[in-house]
Amino acid sequence: EPEVTQTPSHQVTQMGQEVILRCVPISNHLYFYWYRQILGQKVEFLVSFYNNEISEKSEIFDDQFSVERPDGSNFTLKIRSTKLEDSAMYFCASSVGLAGSNEQFFGPGTRLTVL
Amino acid sequence: AQSVAQPEDQVNVAEGNPLTVKCTYSVSGNPYLFWYVQYPNRGLQFLLKYITGDNLVKGSYGFEAEFNKSQTSFHLKKPSALVSDSALYFCAVTEGVGASGGSYIPTFGRGTSLIVHP
Repeated sequence: EPEVTQTPSHQVTQMGQEVILRCVPISNHLYFYWYRQILGQKVEFLVSFYNNEISEKSEIFDDQFSVERPDGSNFTLKIRSTKLEDSAMYFCASSVGLAGSNEQFFGPGTRLTVL
Repeated sequence: AQSVAQPEDQVNVAEGNPLTVKCTYSVSGNPYLFWYVQYPNRGLQFLLKYITGDNLVKGSYGFEAEFNKSQTSFHLKKPSALVSDSALYFCAVTEGVGASGGSYIPTFGRGTSLIVHP
């Protein structure tokens, strides 16, 4: 069964450093998303991406964040200058159609630890 | 604005007993409702959804959920719990047809930890 994959599984970085989190969505899916989950808290939407552009973003997704689909398979989330409060689990997801009525398929996550 | 509430942080049930995980929602139009399960160190996994039609929705692993429009609820149920059902369960809602200014991005609840005791 196809699945969303994410690398790395765990990333440790120093405050102020740039990190890139990588995801490979399911191949026939058209909509891509990043979410984060701070330990013990709710799943928070960051950004959605369709047709090579951002279609929606939350207030969390400020200028420090960017997304890119550099080729036909990868979908990346870049945090330019990490802060302590960026420590969280980051999940990539994809869906075949709009998330409104279509279920999303989530990757296993990248645990980001900012020291 | 859409919102979802999961009033219980934790639900404890004995193996073999029925389980219910509660979810209530608020939307301006018709809701699209989802349940996801998260096992330790894993991503969220889709269980079932309600879009339209029959109020009782059946999903993976023997789970089902009942859409109740008058009570704005979408409780997750299973007739006989297994120890392997122990996980974190998330309810999610998006605005459906008839909404104005709604988002297609799901809003997730805080999650309910289900613990099934042997």
